Amino acid sequence: DQQVKQNSPSLSVQEGRISILNCDYTNSMFDYFLWYKKYPAEGPTFLISISSIKDKNEDGRFTVFLNKSAKHLSLHIVPSQPGDSAVYFCAASLYGSNYKLTFGKGTLLTVNP
Amino acid sequence: DSGVTQTPKHLITATGQRVTLRCSPRSGDLSVYWYQQSLDQGLQFLIQYYNGEERAKGNILERFSAQQFPDLHSELNLSSLELGDSALYFCASSLAGGTNEQFFGPGTRLTVL
Repeated sequence: DQQVKQNSPSLSVQEGRISILNCDYTNSMFDYFLWYKKYPAEGPTFLISISSIKDKNEDGRFTVFLNKSAKHLSLHIVPSQPGDSAVYFCAASLYGSNYKLTFGKGTLLTVNP
Repeated sequence: DSGVTQTPKHLITATGQRVTLRCSPRSGDLSVYWYQQSLDQGLQFLIQYYNGEERAKGNILERFSAQQFPDLHSELNLSSLELGDSALYFCASSLAGGTNEQFFGPGTRLTVL
């Protein structure tokens, strides 16, 4: 049972445009959500996070939106750059779970020059 | 560079064998997590240690075991290996106080032939 779902395996955008990566979750008890970026042959790198008490968190070109009623979050990258090309993983954690993360399967973002 | 190191980088072995993967967390981190990434799968949480004690268990097979040593490095032992155990194994660490942001090592790619 996949509790965190990234339904788009891949996304292609033009440099300078907005990239929107989506993530859905089924467990309403999740209280913290994170996005990780992964380049080939490297481990995932933490990008941005959001607590369930917020609906938006912004860090430079990256903004994460959380819609608790829809159990949906999204990552916006504006403007997209070729160096953003990577696999993006959505992850969620549950209070009292010792911070173990439940990951989605990832979305491969390709930013074309 | 996340500060988390994993050795070896690559491991090729045969079915039925036993291997040990090693992880050194970031300086100051007391928690270590192990994840498995199989083909077409997201990262699956295996097990977490905090200051030498097991804290949480995920989808870890009985053939697999882990421990965290007094110097805080951790080892993941995989025995009676099967073809399906071929995967990327990531170690992550987090701050002692407890935080959702985990920092990942570069991973160990295990190939079972």
